[in-house]
Amino acid sequence: DAKTTQPTSMDCAEGRAANLPCNHSTISGNEYVYWYRQIHSQGPQYIIHGLKNNETNEMASLIITEDRKSSTLILPHATLRDTAVYYCIVSGAGGTSYGKLTFGQGTILTVHP
Amino acid sequence: GAGVSQSPRYKVAKRGQDVALRCDPISGHVSLFWYQQALGQGPEFLTYFQNEAQLDKSGLPSDRFFAERPEGSVSTLKIQRTQQEDSAVYLCASSSSPSGRAQHFGDGTRLSIL
Repeated sequence: DAKTTQPTSMDCAEGRAANLPCNHSTISGNEYVYWYRQIHSQGPQYIIHGLKNNETNEMASLIITEDRKSSTLILPHATLRDTAVYYCIVSGAGGTSYGKLTFGQGTILTVHP
Repeated sequence: GAGVSQSPRYKVAKRGQDVALRCDPISGHVSLFWYQQALGQGPEFLTYFQNEAQLDKSGLPSDRFFAERPEGSVSTLKIQRTQQEDSAVYLCASSSSPSGRAQHFGDGTRLSIL
């Protein structure tokens, strides 16, 4: 699976949009971009995933560049409860990977009052 | 709620003891994954089941680690002759997709080996 690069940490003011970047320049054509987050002492929580089109759900939006080499997770109105480690993961669908996730260090997002 | 349930939440064992960790996935989910998370690190893949078949066990760190899912639902991760380096949080995740998309995680079992 392709490797991802994320900033170590980011800050965001409560109520503002949080934009979390991720580079995945070695992504291959059949690999999806996944975002998970992990709040302290909990298991990771699925946020969103996409292949090449932008995606939106009730939690966030995912913007993938046309060349698919980078993406941005957008939390439109961050709250204190969004403080967590955010993981950007690239994973193949099917084949021998079976969708197993390779977590990096992630981005520690801190939302301030 | 009908999320992924793991038990026990915490487990303390002496070095050399055997332990068994249980995962109850979301009902009907065909894919089940186990991950190991060391302190301050991201989770690392251990093994994958599709229904009752263990299709990938490449992440198991040694032959002391064994996982099963005999009826395609509940899974057990067993660690024999535990060592201090086995101390970690063990996470279970399930997915309705055979390709493991949108995995739902439990809150893990925190294993401490004394």
